[in-house]
Amino acid sequence: AQTVTQSQPEMSVQEAETVTLSCTYDTSESNYYLFWYKQPPSRQMILVIRQEAYKQQNATENRFSVNFQKAAKSFSLKISDSQLGDTAMYFCAFMKQPPRDMRFGAGTRLTVKP
Amino acid sequence: NAGVTQTPKFQVLKTGQSMTLQCAQDMNHEYMSWYRQDPGMGLRLIHYSVGAGITDQGEVPNGYNVSRSTTEDFPLRLLSAAPSQTSVYFCASSLRTGREGANVLTFGAGSRLTVL
Repeated sequence: AQTVTQSQPEMSVQEAETVTLSCTYDTSESNYYLFWYKQPPSRQMILVIRQEAYKQQNATENRFSVNFQKAAKSFSLKISDSQLGDTAMYFCAFMKQPPRDMRFGAGTRLTVKP
Repeated sequence: NAGVTQTPKFQVLKTGQSMTLQCAQDMNHEYMSWYRQDPGMGLRLIHYSVGAGITDQGEVPNGYNVSRSTTEDFPLRLLSAAPSQTSVYFCASSLRTGREGANVLTFGAGSRLTVL
């Protein structure tokens, strides 16, 4: 079974600074997707970014980027120019292909301080 | 376009009662799933479906039942509620592999269930 580990239960960052959230996963699959989801206090799950395992290029979405190290099974999220609205729980997730089940990490609570 | 609609948003049950959490999506997504979210444990998959008439168990299926008679609906049934089922439940759906937007889960707003 796939497992996803987020080793940082809580993190904080000053507004406008950069922060990196860590995620490692364990799988024997070769074809899979990785995701970062954000959950603000509203409880809504919001997709931040996704990465296809077969792509070597790291995904980017505006201020959000990932460092995908397939051999090391590592998938970290970098948030640049942090904003107060980035305060949320962040979940790393793994889905093998074809889509069957998505496994989530325990989450990292990020607080952006003014 | 409503996306994924879950009802009810809040529910309080007594131990042993049964209930159904409803989930409907209007995006013609083949894949639908139910998760529960507990503090410190992230989201754990209960059951999922890859199409009408097809369901399978996830990580924590015990105590829950599902069916998929239509593409749009994927209800989750608690047959005899227990305090351990107190949680926030999320329904999510996606297209399947090979199509634009596949694998990206769209989540419902969540349902908070308390079992006394």
